[in-house]
Amino acid sequence: AQSVTQLDSQVPVFEEAPVELRCNYSSSVSVYLFWYVQYPNQGLQLLLKYLSGSTLVESINGFEAEFNKSQTSFHLRKPSVHISDTAEYFCAVSEKGGGSQGNLIFGKGTKLSVKP
Amino acid sequence: GAGVSQSPSNKVTEKGKDVELRCDPISGHTALYWYRQSLGQGLEFLIYFQGNSAPDKSGLPSDRFSAERTGGSVSTLTIQRTQQEDSAVYLCASTPGTVNSPLHFGNGTRLTVT
Repeated sequence: AQSVTQLDSQVPVFEEAPVELRCNYSSSVSVYLFWYVQYPNQGLQLLLKYLSGSTLVESINGFEAEFNKSQTSFHLRKPSVHISDTAEYFCAVSEKGGGSQGNLIFGKGTKLSVKP
Repeated sequence: GAGVSQSPSNKVTEKGKDVELRCDPISGHTALYWYRQSLGQGLEFLIYFQGNSAPDKSGLPSDRFSAERTGGSVSTLTIQRTQQEDSAVYLCASTPGTVNSPLHFGNGTRLTVT
């Protein structure tokens, strides 16, 4: 069975500071990895994903995540955050070969609050 | 184009009543998922449809929960004899069904059982 652990439930940071949101997963098979974001009063939307190839993936708004197979991690980073990055971030994993990404297993989420 | 639509957006019901939650996926999306988001619990997978069939119902928490999908489109999640622990946000997502396509989520239905 797969599982996802997001160690930090809340991460407060000041604007323009760097941030890392941690995600570790457990699975007996190869996986796809995702980060979803939920802005206040909005639905969940995909931020970035790792399917194969380069282990470093980037989003259009400056976030990046690196797949580390040996450490079973997929931490999300941004070198300089903005107020508008305030949201809840969910790490998710699905089993390769599961069809339509299989069923996504989500972590409990990390609330990022960016303060001026 | 239109995204995933869920109704109602909010539902308050008394313990013991039945409720129906509706999801209208994006047109043409063959796969549909239901998740439950409880405070401090993250997202819990409930059920997955491919077309009208549900190959994976493993996440339904009890036999009070059921879901159906008709015409490969609209899905209804039904909770019978609601309990207070059923209070949560119920999220629906759809996807075209190909491996590289992301899930498109609706805004959810916030269910409160009093």
